[in-house]
Amino acid sequence: NAGVMQNPRHLVRRRGQEARLRCSPMKGHSHVYWYRQLPEEGLKFMVYLQKENIIDESGMPKERFSAEFPKEGPSILRIQQVVRGDSAAYFCASSPRGQGIYEQYFGPGTRLTVT
Amino acid sequence: AQSVAQPEDQVNVAEGNPLTVKCTYSVSGNPYLFWYVQYPNRGLQFLLKYITGDNLVKGSYGFEAEFNKSQTSFHLKKPSALVSDSALYFCALSGGYNKLIFGAGTRLAVHP
Repeated sequence: NAGVMQNPRHLVRRRGQEARLRCSPMKGHSHVYWYRQLPEEGLKFMVYLQKENIIDESGMPKERFSAEFPKEGPSILRIQQVVRGDSAAYFCASSPRGQGIYEQYFGPGTRLTVT
Repeated sequence: AQSVAQPEDQVNVAEGNPLTVKCTYSVSGNPYLFWYVQYPNRGLQFLLKYITGDNLVKGSYGFEAEFNKSQTSFHLKKPSALVSDSALYFCALSGGYNKLIFGAGTRLAVHP
């Protein structure tokens, strides 16, 4: 049973470029969460999505960041016009149900470096 | 406000000794609490969770955690540490809309 998959694992972008991060949840999971981990810090929630719906985006920066989870295909976290402060590890997680009693399963992360 | 605190940045333990990694939380209502472990350049691995029931929860790799409602704590424990347990440990609380609220993490170093 494949786990949560994320690609690319490493991404280098120049300031002002766009970054697209992809996440395929575990088989049978329809709830996807994105978290950001800055160097030497804990993970911070960004957004929670179900298929074709954004449920909670309270952790997303107001500008330049967007997320989607289409009916077909992976979830995408998109960062437009990247800045150096966007350099971080971005983790995707999935769960089988949308209730807090279910643990979330994490992917290996995408490490974004902005030069 | 919901929050998780891990008061120790690092815990050092000799191999074979018991270990404890501390976590306290703040939440209104019943807490759903989790422990995850992160190895270098890897994602987080689920260790165990407390939802309800017994205050002592057993998890993966010999880890267990003790839930204490009066002290609002959820400390991670293991009777005998291994060098391979050295990693970054995160305590987390399930918040609104199921998002996880993480502590800052505690680095566990087990010395031979």
